[in-house]
Amino acid sequence: KQEVTQIPAALSVPEGENLVLNCSFTDSAIYNLQWFRQDPGKGLTSLLLIQSSQREQTSGRLNASLDKSSGRSTLYIAASQPGDSATYLCVPTGNQFYFGTGTSLTVIP
Amino acid sequence: ETGVTQSPTHLIKTRGQQVTLRCSSQSGHNTVSWYQQALGQGPQFIFQYYREEENGRGNFPPRFSGLQFPNYSSELNVNALELDDSALYLCASSPREGGRTEAFFGQGTRLTVV
Repeated sequence: KQEVTQIPAALSVPEGENLVLNCSFTDSAIYNLQWFRQDPGKGLTSLLLIQSSQREQTSGRLNASLDKSSGRSTLYIAASQPGDSATYLCVPTGNQFYFGTGTSLTVIP
Repeated sequence: ETGVTQSPTHLIKTRGQQVTLRCSSQSGHNTVSWYQQALGQGPQFIFQYYREEENGRGNFPPRFSGLQFPNYSSELNVNALELDDSALYLCASSPREGGRTEAFFGQGTRLTVV
C-alpha cells in the first residue's frame, strides 16, 4: 500500500520567503504525481502535474520536482504571499490517488 | 473552476438516516472517485467508478455504496449514518481509468451527522 509523508506538517513564514515543501512516498510504481492546494473546508485545486517520465514542472512561482526512483517530490514556492496560505497535498497516482495529511502553510503579511 | 460539481454543498443528517451525495464530472471524463476527509486529515479513498463499473474500493464498509450513470455523473450513498461519518466528501473526475491522467476535484459536500 502506498504511504505518503509530507514534511513539515506545518510551516509559518513571513511574506516574501522562498519555501520548500517535501513529499516522500513508498511505492515508486506511479503514473504521475500531482500537487494540490486546499483552502479550509474546500475542495482541492490542482497546482502541478508531473508525469512519471518527467523530472519537474513549473507554473509561475511554483516549481515541483520528482525523483520517482527514490520516492521523493519537492514543491518550491518563490516569493511567498499571504494568498499562498493553505494546505498543500502531494498525490502520487497509481490505480488510485494516494494522500498524506499535507503541509499546512501560513504566510504572514 | 474544475468543471466538477458536487451537491449539496452542506448537509445535516441524524444518526441512522441515509444520505445521497451527487457529483457531476467534467465533460469527457469517464472515471469518478470518491473520498472522505475528516477534519485535519488527508482524504481517504472510498471507491472509484470507470464506465459505470466499480473498479476499486478503499477500506469502507458496505453501507457506503455508489453508482455511476451513462453520462458519467455519480452518486455516493451512505446508509445507517454514524456520527463518525461527519466529514467533507470529495469527488474527483479524470478522463481515463485510475490515475493515468490528471484529476479534477469538486468543492466537496460537508456532511454533519448529529
